[in-house]
Amino acid sequence: KAGVTQTPRYLIKTRGQQVTLSCSPISGHRSVSWYQQTPGQGLQFLFEYFSETQRNKGNFPGRFSGRQFSNSRSEMNVSTLELGDSALYLCASSQGRGLDAGELFFGEGSRLTVL
Amino acid sequence: AQSVAQPEDQVNVAEGNPLTVKCTYSVSGNPYLFWYVQYPNRGLQFLLKYITGDNLVKGSYGFEAEFNKSQTSFHLKKPSALVSDSALYFCAVRDASGNQGGKLIFGQGTELSVKP
Repeated sequence: KAGVTQTPRYLIKTRGQQVTLSCSPISGHRSVSWYQQTPGQGLQFLFEYFSETQRNKGNFPGRFSGRQFSNSRSEMNVSTLELGDSALYLCASSQGRGLDAGELFFGEGSRLTVL
Repeated sequence: AQSVAQPEDQVNVAEGNPLTVKCTYSVSGNPYLFWYVQYPNRGLQFLLKYITGDNLVKGSYGFEAEFNKSQTSFHLKKPSALVSDSALYFCAVRDASGNQGGKLIFGQGTELSVKP
């Protein structure tokens, strides 16, 4: 069974630009969540999607947005990029949600560098 | 508020010796606890979880963790460390407040270094 696939793996943008990251969950998994990982802040929750609906959102500005499609694939978008947005963005999927969701399965991440 | 603490930024162990990576948690209600490992430039790999049941949980690659409710701890252990265990380890708790199913709260991570 294929794991969580994230594209692109690496990308470089300049301040003010926008970026879209893609995530394909494990087949059959309906919940997708996103995390930002930086050396200073560690792993921080961005948002969670289930059945094409955002179920949960972390404490990030509105420049960070996402969506989920009917096939459970998800995208996240960051507009008006800032230097501080440079990070590893991790996508994770699980079969369900709530307390019975079980463990999250993570992709390899998309490493964004903002110049 | 739910939180996880990993008190050690780095743990150094000689190959063949037992290792412990510490984690303490603070939750309201029953804890749902996880350990993940991250190798350089890779995503997080699931090691083990505690939901309910036996306090000693066995996981992947020979790792185990001991849940201690009175000390609110969930330390990761391995009887005999390998050089290949060198990586960044994260403890996490599922946010059980409301309907926060997919949200994990992570500790800051502990860098494990195993020397030959």
